[in-house]
Amino acid sequence: EAGVAQSPRYKIIEKRQSVAFWCNPISGHATLYWYQQILGQGPKLLIQFQNNGVVDDSQLPKDRFSAERLKGVDSTLKIQPAKLEDSAVYLCASSLGSSYNEQFFGPGTRLTVL
Amino acid sequence: DQQVKQNSPSLSVQEGRISILNCDYTNSMFDYFLWYKKYPAEGPTFLISISSIKDKNEDGRFTVFLNKSAKHLSLHIVPSQPGDSAVYFCAASGVTGNQFYFGTGTSLTVIP
Repeated sequence: EAGVAQSPRYKIIEKRQSVAFWCNPISGHATLYWYQQILGQGPKLLIQFQNNGVVDDSQLPKDRFSAERLKGVDSTLKIQPAKLEDSAVYLCASSLGSSYNEQFFGPGTRLTVL
Repeated sequence: DQQVKQNSPSLSVQEGRISILNCDYTNSMFDYFLWYKKYPAEGPTFLISISSIKDKNEDGRFTVFLNKSAKHLSLHIVPSQPGDSAVYFCAASGVTGNQFYFGTGTSLTVIP
């Protein structure tokens, strides 16, 4: 069974530029999560989708971050414009149901904002 | 505000000995706790969990203990093996199921 795929794996941009990350969850998984992990910290849940609906986006900085999950499968996370403090690893995870212990994580995208 | 804290950034243990990783939380509404293991350049993988109605859960070499009155949980690994060397994160979720917080992680090194 293929795992959670994310691309790109690495991205370097200048501040004020835009960037997008892509996630392909495990086939059949209804729930998809995006996390931000800043160096030295634990992952922070940014947004959780159930199929193509948003379950929780309370920690998503909506002034610059947006996410969508069209057709309830793939998802993209966008930052526009990026700030220096957005430098982090962005992790995508998926689960069959909505239990956190069922999450499978992708390898992450490391973003560096210069 | 860090709702889940792991105060030890790193821990070194001899192979075969016990590893004890600690985690504290501040929100009494958390009712489900999890431990994840993370290797470099990979995403976290689920290890073990415990519901707030229990005080202990065991899975092979891994045991999680929960002390609700102290808002503290710990992960015991016995015996520790070199392959256990990784970063361990504790996490907690709230009664609504829509709150989920990770701790800052503890890097475990098991010395052969």
